[in-house]
Amino acid sequence: GNSVTQMEGPVTLSEEAFLTINCTYTATGYPSLFWYVQYPGEGLQLLLKATKADDKGSNKGFEATYRKETTSFHLEKGSVQVSDSAVYFCALIRTGGFKTIFGAGTRLFVKA
Amino acid sequence: DAGVTQSPTHLIKTRGQQVTLRCSPKSGHDTVSWYQQALGQGPQFIFQYYEEEERQRGNFPDRFSGHQFPNYSSELNVNALLLGDSALYLCASSPSDGAKNIQYFGAGTRLSVL
Repeated sequence: GNSVTQMEGPVTLSEEAFLTINCTYTATGYPSLFWYVQYPGEGLQLLLKATKADDKGSNKGFEATYRKETTSFHLEKGSVQVSDSAVYFCALIRTGGFKTIFGAGTRLFVKA
Repeated sequence: DAGVTQSPTHLIKTRGQQVTLRCSPKSGHDTVSWYQQALGQGPQFIFQYYEEEERQRGNFPDRFSGHQFPNYSSELNVNALLLGDSALYLCASSPSDGAKNIQYFGAGTRLSVL
């Protein structure tokens, strides 16, 4: 079946450090891939997306590239800020599907 | 432009009771999905409503039911509540054309079952 696996947290970084959160997926066909962010006490916000192989999604300094050959969609940011502290979810929707399938989430703590 | 709105924000119930959660989709969206997010986990798909009918359902028992109204708003009903139903319930809306499959989420309703 379709699934998403992302690295376990928590991830703790100092401000201005480089961030990578790994995400791999299992799906038939060519799913659309997403990263969502959840700040404390809030719902999910779409951070970025990619809909086909080799697409790069980007937003607010975050980037992720859809890698079909490695079935991966790793999230990166060159310099994190304290305000980036949140839980990050990797997700997919299969082609023609109706439901978003989420990974378990990775909590990020950024220290000043 | 209002986003997805959910009510109430918090709810406390006891085992065996019934609960109704409400969702208004983002303007221009006609499809509503419901998700359950247990503490420390990713959201799990409950079901999706389109044209006032349940279009797809996840692996949830019949105690979970829903409804969509002509104005596209939706309700999630849970009967015979169990302690394990305690979670954040998220509503997401999307346009029927799929718009690259993006779903917009509300802030959620946090349900505590005692």
